[in-house]
Amino acid sequence: EAQVTQNPRYLITVTGKKLTVTCSQNMNHEYMSWYRQDPGLGLRQIYYSMNVEVTDKGDVPEGYKVSRKEKRNFPLILESPSPNQTSLYFCASSLGQGLDEKLFFGSGTQLSVL
Amino acid sequence: RKEVEQDPGPFNVPEGATVAFNCTYSNSASQSFFWYRQDCRKEPKLLMSVYSSGNEDGRFTAQLNRASQYISLLIRDSKLSDSATYLCADGYNFNKFYFGSGTKLNVKP
Repeated sequence: EAQVTQNPRYLITVTGKKLTVTCSQNMNHEYMSWYRQDPGLGLRQIYYSMNVEVTDKGDVPEGYKVSRKEKRNFPLILESPSPNQTSLYFCASSLGQGLDEKLFFGSGTQLSVL
Repeated sequence: RKEVEQDPGPFNVPEGATVAFNCTYSNSASQSFFWYRQDCRKEPKLLMSVYSSGNEDGRFTAQLNRASQYISLLIRDSKLSDSATYLCADGYNFNKFYFGSGTKLNVKP
C-alpha cells in the first residue's frame, strides 16, 4: 500500500532532550516536506527536500533540523526542544519535479514538550 | 497578510443542504490550488485539485476566480460524513504550499 509513515504517533518529552521524528514513504517520491499545525495558524512548512541531499528551509525552520540521506526517509530532528514546539507535526511527500504536486501526508505526530 | 485566508466557521448545515466555502489567496502568480479534507487531528487528505477555472467530482465542485483571487468549494446534498475541516492550499511553487487555517463544517441530521 502506498503510504507515508511517521513515528511516533504521540510523544511527550522535556525541554532540551533531543528527539527525532521519523518519516518514510514507499512511493519513490522525490519531494518531501515537514509541517506543523497549530490552532488558528493552519499548516506551516518547516523544511522541505527536493531530492537526496537537497534540503531547504520553509517558513518556520528555527529549532529544527532535517536530513535526506536516502530517498525514502526524511527525519525531523529537534536538538533542544522547547515548549513552543508543542504541536501536531505532519510529514508529506509528492512526486515533485513539477509533475504532480499532490501532497500525501503521514498520519501525524502529536508532540508535547514540558 | 496571510498567503491564504479562510473563514474558520463553523458552518452548521442540515443534511441535504448545499454549502459553499471561499478561500482567498494573495499571490497572483499562483497556478495550482487544492482542497484538502481533514478529520479531527488526522492527516489532511486531498479532495480536489484546481488548475484552471474549475473542477467537479460528484457532489463537490471547486471554482477558481483569478480576477478576484479566490477559490471556492461547493458541496451539494451534504452528508453527515462530510463533517470535517476543509483546508485550501496554494501550490504557488511546488516546493512550497501555503495552507489556509481551515473551515469547519458540521452537517446535522
